[in-house]
Amino acid sequence: QKEVEQNSGPLSVPEGAIASLNCTYSDRGSQSFFWYRQYSGKSPELIMSIYSNGDKEDGRFTAQLNKASQYVSLLIRDSQPSDSATYLCAVNPYSSASKIIFGSGTRLSIRP
Amino acid sequence: DAGVIQSPRHEVTEMGQEVTLRCKLISGHNSLFWYRQTMMRGLELLIYFNNNVPIDDSGMPEDRFSAKMPNASFSTLKIQPSEPRDSAVYFCASRYSQGGEQYFGPGTRLTVT
Repeated sequence: QKEVEQNSGPLSVPEGAIASLNCTYSDRGSQSFFWYRQYSGKSPELIMSIYSNGDKEDGRFTAQLNKASQYVSLLIRDSQPSDSATYLCAVNPYSSASKIIFGSGTRLSIRP
Repeated sequence: DAGVIQSPRHEVTEMGQEVTLRCKLISGHNSLFWYRQTMMRGLELLIYFNNNVPIDDSGMPEDRFSAKMPNASFSTLKIQPSEPRDSAVYFCASRYSQGGEQYFGPGTRLTVT
């Protein structure tokens, strides 16, 4: 089992709809969770961090964390073509608090 | 404040040559991470440092790779000798505190012919 798992996609969502990106992790004691966006040819860019169960909203983005289910998600409301990118889920595992484990990413495509 | 700075942004070299990649951390950050990204293998952690000390180098592919952090703000990743399979984008990232967010540099695109 991979430490951080994501569906590779591509996930195709119509413009204006809600895009839902999902991630599961294996280390039950993980404490910190991050979502990065990576445009083609660019570096990963941090867009959200979440540390406690529940929802955290920032503009059109909402991160959701459920530690009991070992599940973290990212919702993008009112999707725009500029949201088309690869989204990387990252987890700071309890087993190694110094490093972040990245998922392989979900490619999101917003169709006009 | 400037973000993570990497140089060069692009490097093309011939097999067998030495390659040195450079990274400058965000001021005040105390952890540095070197990653490699390819289409096939995704984003791989090569090595990371806390307070200039290498903590985990288990991701370094082989002895041809070495990394140093001579001071609190600067690091180098060296490949000697380089091979075509080393072609990838190399990122460094820095972080202020354990468990906190990492911020990536723009990357170095390495091509070994």
